[in-house]
Amino acid sequence: QKEVEQNSGPLSVPEGAIASLNCTYSDRGSQSFFWYRQYSGKSPELIMSIYSNGDKEDGRFTAQLNKASQYVSLLIRDSQPSDSATYLCAVNMSWRGNKLVFGAGTILRVKS
Amino acid sequence: GAVVSQHPSRVICKSGTSVKIECRSLDFQATTMFWYRQFPKKSLMLMATSNEGSKATYEQGVEKDKFLINHASLTLSTLTVTSAHPEDSSFYICSAREGGPDTQYFGPGTRLTVL
Repeated sequence: QKEVEQNSGPLSVPEGAIASLNCTYSDRGSQSFFWYRQYSGKSPELIMSIYSNGDKEDGRFTAQLNKASQYVSLLIRDSQPSDSATYLCAVNMSWRGNKLVFGAGTILRVKS
Repeated sequence: GAVVSQHPSRVICKSGTSVKIECRSLDFQATTMFWYRQFPKKSLMLMATSNEGSKATYEQGVEKDKFLINHASLTLSTLTVTSAHPEDSSFYICSAREGGPDTQYFGPGTRLTVL
């Protein structure tokens, strides 16, 4: 089992729709979770961090965390073509000395 | 917000030469910096963790004599790829973390091509 798993996609959604990106992780003791956006040829850009169960909203983005199910998701409302990118889920693994472990990323394509 | 810079952004070198990449935190002091590499269409792979004033900690399988890391100050870490070979061609990205929060901020990356 991979430490952080994401569906590689591509996930295609029409402009204006809600994009839902999912991530599962193996370390039940993990406490910190992050979503990064990476455009082709660029480095990752932090979108959201979440530490507690439930939802956290920031603009068009909502991160959802369920530690019991070891599941974290990112919702993007009113998707725009500029949201087309690879979205990386990252988990701070305590047993790894608090290092981030990244999923392979989900490619999102928003079609106008 | 937290800004991390990297220099150079792109470098092409001949096989056998050494290349130095700088990573700087511009508006905060980074007690810890990380070095990643990323191959095309793959996720980030952590190479090493760099702490100011102490030796870097390398991930399993990463040759410390080939990838020299120096964390000279709270705002600067350098990665030197020694005796580079074509298989070292990759996208190298650094990140920096402040002492308290565990959020990492990434530099823009350095694309290394070894001919």
